[in-house]
Amino acid sequence: ETTLTQSPTFMSATPGDRVNISCKASHDIDDDMNWYKQKPGEAAILIIREATTLVPGIPPRFSGSGYGTDFTLTINDIESGDAAYYFCLQHDSFPYTFGQGTKLEIK
Amino acid sequence: QVQLQESGPGLVKPSETLSLTCTVSGGSVSSGNYFWSWIRQPPGKGLEWIGYISYTGSTNYNPSLKSRVTISVGTSKNQFSLKLSSVTAADTAVYYCARGVIQGGYYYGLDVWGQGTTVTVSS
Repeated sequence: ETTLTQSPTFMSATPGDRVNISCKASHDIDDDMNWYKQKPGEAAILIIREATTLVPGIPPRFSGSGYGTDFTLTINDIESGDAAYYFCLQHDSFPYTFGQGTKLEIK
Repeated sequence: QVQLQESGPGLVKPSETLSLTCTVSGGSVSSGNYFWSWIRQPPGKGLEWIGYISYTGSTNYNPSLKSRVTISVGTSKNQFSLKLSSVTAADTAVYYCARGVIQGGYYYGLDVWGQGTTVTVSS
């Protein structure tokens, strides 16, 4: 089973900031990494697939990088609507596993 | 545009079977190139993948839950269900259903999620 270590678990940002969220895999998963955004009581939304591919309809302020074991979600020019819970998912092998999640607060 | 909605009892007694249904609108669980998953998140903890059923009817379960889990397609082609037997308080969680993509025989990640339903295990 692949363990994903996501950090930080909580972060606070100011509008206009850039934030980075990390997800490290316990072994090489190529680019089989997705990133999601979820607001309380709502369905999770896929924002980045295959580590770096922005999902259509997602603002280009969001980007993903990494390959193998180290991955990063970057959000540029933070807006108030970006406040949410972000998590990573590895789909290299079953059982699928998730990072612990990051709660992003906007000041 | 596909949407998923979970439904079922919000309270289940210990040792009983938890049963949930996911209703797919705008699509069918028998449509090619998709698989249908259940995921859960206990209070204050991370997400845990439970298992899936594919459009062919094949299933795959998390080894940690395999002995207690059954995922099946409903009589309606736009529903699939989860049954988890012999539940304890540790099974208290928000349960989500989600769609995954299969391309060229390769299972890609989950692309559409439901909003989740809370299940509490308590007497």
